[in-house]
Amino acid sequence: QSALTQPRSVSESPGQSVTISCTGTSSDVGGYNYVSWYQQHPGKAPKLMIYDVSKRPSGVPDRFSGSKSGNTASLTISGLQAEDEADYYCCSYAGSSVVFGGGTKLTVL
Amino acid sequence: EVQLVQSGAEVKKPGESLKISCKGSGYSFTNYWIGWVRQMTGKGLEWMGIIYPGDSDTRYSPSFQGQVTISADKSISTAYLQWSSLKASDTAMYYCVRVSYMVRGFPGAFDVWGQGTKVTVSS
Repeated sequence: QSALTQPRSVSESPGQSVTISCTGTSSDVGGYNYVSWYQQHPGKAPKLMIYDVSKRPSGVPDRFSGSKSGNTASLTISGLQAEDEADYYCCSYAGSSVVFGGGTKLTVL
Repeated sequence: EVQLVQSGAEVKKPGESLKISCKGSGYSFTNYWIGWVRQMTGKGLEWMGIIYPGDSDTRYSPSFQGQVTISADKSISTAYLQWSSLKASDTAMYYCVRVSYMVRGFPGAFDVWGQGTKVTVSS
């Protein structure tokens, strides 16, 4: 199973919105609505931010939203804050396995 | 509070064996699958496999099948990741994770993460 494709890095200013893409195939992202997103700050464990493409766990701000179109899922963060600066990983159910994206470093300028 | 607490960092030599642990608390340990995720230094996340502590049913990623062994002791709410002969390429951070729900026998998402166990393999 190949890793899902994410941009290596994105950057945006505080208060603005940013979207991180996650591209897979019809065998993973495109075939199922089981995409999740994880936030990882340096030296910390990842944290679940979005599951089932667009659902937010309790406690995750509604500034974080997810969507999917075809083989590409997206994570959008609106009203960027300094604390959102982190690495973000997408993940998809892939039939008899699970596959992660390579990760995207978000810099809040 | 639901949490997974992992064992401490390990430094081993190539060829040695190793077993790291992950203790769950704050929830019914036998009712949720537990998985392991590898993160090599400066790299992304890789799903390794899962176990259901209730009956020790285990599933592995094709990339890790035969390379590691996942086990659990439900009496002490602890899952394990084991190597019989370590290689330098096993150097990484390893996270245990709770599977929030399953999809046709495989993880849908991971809702609780341990703090990670750093494994260093060097001669």
